[in-house]
Amino acid sequence: ETGVTQSPTHLIKTRGQQVTLRCSSQSGHNTVSWYQQALGQGPQFIFQYYREEENGRGNFPPRFSGLQFPNYSSELNVNALELDDSALYLCASSHRGDGNYGYTFGSGTRLTVV
Amino acid sequence: KQEVTQIPAALSVPEGENLVLNCSFTDSAIYNLQWFRQDPGKGLTSLLLIQSSQREQTSGRLNASLDKSSGRSTLYIAASQPGDSATYLCAVGFYNQGGKLIFGQGTELSVKP
Repeated sequence: ETGVTQSPTHLIKTRGQQVTLRCSSQSGHNTVSWYQQALGQGPQFIFQYYREEENGRGNFPPRFSGLQFPNYSSELNVNALELDDSALYLCASSHRGDGNYGYTFGSGTRLTVV
Repeated sequence: KQEVTQIPAALSVPEGENLVLNCSFTDSAIYNLQWFRQDPGKGLTSLLLIQSSQREQTSGRLNASLDKSSGRSTLYIAASQPGDSATYLCAVGFYNQGGKLIFGQGTELSVKP
């Protein structure tokens, strides 16, 4: 059973650019969530995807968008990058409806905006 | 507003001590609570998941308890080891949040040899 994998592991972008982060969910999981973790803080919920539809969104502007594919993998896109977008981005997957609802997290993508 | 708070923010103990990490939440309408470990610059490793109908869960030297009525959970670590040094995060799933986890800010644990 493979876990959650994220790519790339590290990324440096310039303010104003766009970035795409990728996530492969754990085998058997059909729900993917994205979180942003600033240094020294707990992760903050960005949004969740279930059956390729956005299924809940946190307090993030529309320039944060996402996709979920038929194989349940997912992308997080951030447009018009700002310095404050520098953070660790975490992807989590879950098998919704199995009564467990625990989440498995990936190792994250460290994004630095300069 | 639903919030999750962890106390203390940091903790340093000598090797071999038993210790307790605390997590409190403002709304008792939860479906589960999950404890994670995070090593510096890394992702989250799930330690224990407690469903709302359960009172505690155990895994090896770890024991997590849940008291919904008081809005509290504790993570007990027995016989601590230097390898336990990490940040421990508590995350709560609330019923009206559609699968979103709300995290505490974490407790940074240092176990000294």
